[in-house]
Amino acid sequence: DAMVIQNPRYQVTQFGKPVTLSCSQTLNHNVMYWYQQKSSQAPKLLFHYYDKDFNNEADTPDNFQSRRPNTSFCFLDIRSPGLGDAAMYLCATSSGGPGEKLFFGSGTQLSVL
Amino acid sequence: DAKTTQPTSMDCAEGRAANLPCNHSTISGNEYVYWYRQIHSQGPQYIIHGLKNNETNEMASLIITEDRKSSTLILPHATLRDTAVYYCIVRHQGGADGLTFGKGTHLIIQP
Repeated sequence: DAMVIQNPRYQVTQFGKPVTLSCSQTLNHNVMYWYQQKSSQAPKLLFHYYDKDFNNEADTPDNFQSRRPNTSFCFLDIRSPGLGDAAMYLCATSSGGPGEKLFFGSGTQLSVL
Repeated sequence: DAKTTQPTSMDCAEGRAANLPCNHSTISGNEYVYWYRQIHSQGPQYIIHGLKNNETNEMASLIITEDRKSSTLILPHATLRDTAVYYCIVRHQGGADGLTFGKGTHLIIQP
């Protein structure tokens, strides 16, 4: 059974048109992460939530925002997608305890036309 | 988090053991070694992690040298489905920090 669920699997948007990607989890984990993975590159951490506390990575562009309305759901908002934002977006969760592992979803492949 | 160094790619024959090395010479005492893999177009999959001792689970074994400056991931009987990019990641023991992925090793299992 899927524990970290990302919908949709594929998302197409237009240049400059806001888009929201969603992630839900059944693990009741405290921490939820968003990663960006461009073609042939490693995943890159954008930000994470520890409960309601938002933690942004220093080099994450302002164009990327996130919301976590409750424990189970987390959203990635791209305010004005550019062609360079086309990528796989991965959501992950963790309990946040020492030495705990991250569980990843299958990702959303975003195309920008 | 300490930096890791892995070979860019490796081949292994199906049915043989695949041994993937990782160098993490700057690791500190409170950092874990994690291994994840990523099959094309899927999310990363957890394999194993350890702090000091060798670890084994249903997927793999993790051998950490006594000085903790390097480790080896062992897939005991590789199958074609083990073809993937394997990431060795060093992560601080405490809490919520995410994983910082390096370039990983592209392991190709040959029939």
